[in-house]
Amino acid sequence: DGGITQSPKYLFRKEGQNVTLSCEQNLNHDAMYWYRQDPGQGLRLIYYSQIVNDFQKGDIAEGYSVSREKKESFPLTVTSAQKNPTAFYLCATQDSMNTEAFFGQGTRLTVV
Amino acid sequence: ELKVEQNPLFLSMQEGKNYTIYCNYSTTSDRLYWYRQDPGKSLESLFVLLSNGAVKQEGRLMASLDTKARLSTLHITAAVHDLSATYFCAVDPNYGGSQGNLIFGKGTKLSVKP
Repeated sequence: DGGITQSPKYLFRKEGQNVTLSCEQNLNHDAMYWYRQDPGQGLRLIYYSQIVNDFQKGDIAEGYSVSREKKESFPLTVTSAQKNPTAFYLCATQDSMNTEAFFGQGTRLTVV
Repeated sequence: ELKVEQNPLFLSMQEGKNYTIYCNYSTTSDRLYWYRQDPGKSLESLFVLLSNGAVKQEGRLMASLDTKARLSTLHITAAVHDLSATYFCAVDPNYGGSQGNLIFGKGTKLSVKP
């Protein structure tokens, strides 16, 4: 099955805890992105990576970290420094021609 | 700073009516994307517009791009309830450069009523 797999679908975080959201793709796309969506809002870019072992901060990177050790994987860690992490997180990929972005099914993170 | 503005942000339509959603952006770009999002779901790609004057149609939806005016429209013809969703436009601000991240509008929440 080709596509982008995000896991888990739902995630609950306690105060002061780090949590990691998984994003795996088998589309052989070079570029991968993490977006955050708050209720009734558009998407805001957290981090992106154009190639393995390289990534760049987006507009709201504070309190988040990423790694890109493999082309297929781009995990996002929400650290305790992110004070308001409750949101819907979407991972996306683009091919080398940057013609279209494809999205995973999302992870809904809630602080408890 | 690139801005992408959609209007209206909320749209309530009756079935069978026509309407247009507008997407204005503030920088030069030849690439614009339209997505649909159902409640609690991810984004589904609707249209990819890659040049000035591009027009694409799928069913009751038609999208166009005017890069000189920095404007894209999403036209809905004879709306049906199944079109109820939130529609996002997104602009690629760095086409041809080293980045490909998309900048999104806030979305237009469409509700089609019988």
